[in-house]
Amino acid sequence: EAGVTQSPTHLIKTRGQQATLRCSPISGHTSVYWYQQALGLGLQFLLWYDEGEERNRGNFPPRFSGRQFPNYSSELNVNALELEDSALYLCASSLQGSAGNTIYFGEGSWLTVV
Amino acid sequence: AQSVSQHNHHVILSEAASLELGCNYSYGGTVNLFWYVQYPGQHLQLLLKYFSGDPLVKGIKGFEAEFIKSKFSFNLRKPSVQWSDTAEYFCAVSSRGQNFVFGPGTRLSVLP
Repeated sequence: EAGVTQSPTHLIKTRGQQATLRCSPISGHTSVYWYQQALGLGLQFLLWYDEGEERNRGNFPPRFSGRQFPNYSSELNVNALELEDSALYLCASSLQGSAGNTIYFGEGSWLTVV
Repeated sequence: AQSVSQHNHHVILSEAASLELGCNYSYGGTVNLFWYVQYPGQHLQLLLKYFSGDPLVKGIKGFEAEFIKSKFSFNLRKPSVQWSDTAEYFCAVSSRGQNFVFGPGTRLSVLP
């Protein structure tokens, strides 16, 4: 069974551009989570989608947005990129809303803003 | 809102030493607790989890953790570490209707 898959693996953008990251959850999982892992800052929660709806949002500016598609895959968009957006973006999925379920991570997408 | 703290930023041990990594959370309701590990160059993997029942849970690779409700703690232990345990360890908490919240992580370096 395939795990959580993310694309692209690496992405280089210039400041002010937009980045789009994609995530396919484990088959049967309906919840998708996005985290930012910047150097030395641990895992910062970005967004949680469940059944196509945004359930929760972390303390990030509105230029971080996303959506979940009917097939439960998800997209994270970062507009007006800033240098400090350079980080590893992790996607995770679980069977349903977070209660009582384990989340499984993908390998992440490295975003470098120059 | 939930929050998770981890006691140590970086722990350095020699092989065969015992390990205990501290984790405390703040949330008054029913929680599920997790430890995840990130080996160098690899993605985050589940080490162990607690949902209910026996507060002492055993995970992979000889790790265990004890949930102490009165102390809001979920400390990770291993009696004898190996060089291959070098990794970053993250404690996490989830509860109904809330997203997963991770601690800042503890980097473990095991010296051969």
